[in-house]
Amino acid sequence: EDQVTQSPEALRLQEGESSSLNCSYTVSGLRGLFWYRQDPGKGPEFLFTLYSAGEEKEKERLKATLTKKESFLHITAPKPEDSATYLCAVTNSGYALNFGKGTSLLVTP
Amino acid sequence: DADVTQTPRNRITKTGKRIMLECSQTKGHDRMYWYRQDPGLGLRLIYYSFDVKDINKGEISDGYSVSRQAQAKFSLSLESAIPNQTALYFCAIEGSSTDTQYFGPGTRLTVL
Repeated sequence: EDQVTQSPEALRLQEGESSSLNCSYTVSGLRGLFWYRQDPGKGPEFLFTLYSAGEEKEKERLKATLTKKESFLHITAPKPEDSATYLCAVTNSGYALNFGKGTSLLVTP
Repeated sequence: DADVTQTPRNRITKTGKRIMLECSQTKGHDRMYWYRQDPGLGLRLIYYSFDVKDINKGEISDGYSVSRQAQAKFSLSLESAIPNQTALYFCAIEGSSTDTQYFGPGTRLTVL
């Protein structure tokens, strides 16, 4: 059975304190790994898609990396506006997404 | 204007009532999805549709039905709502040539 495990469940950072979120997955025939950001009461907002081990993508203070067993979302010098829940999802079908439970990030000034 | 619109945004209903949640999109994408989100459980797929005549059950379809009235519209119905269907419901769209799903703003449903 496909599984996606995100850690930690919650993370509190000081503004400027860099860190990483982890997404471990077990899926046969990975077709894609996705990162989304979700603010309270809103729909998930797409961040990145990664397809193969070794791939990296960046957007502002965020950088996503992928290995054969896990993905990391690195947050460099975070700001309070980066506070949100970050969701990881995988697919082996190319359409049905299997989501993790998310990491709730709080960045304090 | 938002690419994906969901109505209503909030709904409180009673056990046994029939309720419909609606999703519409302006992107012309073929694929549309319905997910529910529960605290501690993450997002789970209810139904998905690749076009008007292609509708498929997801992981948790029991107690739900859907209708794809047009390429732009995909509705989710709860025939007889029960309290454990209280959740956040999200519609998502995806172009057939991409792998990326874009989500709507969600509907918060409470079944009393």
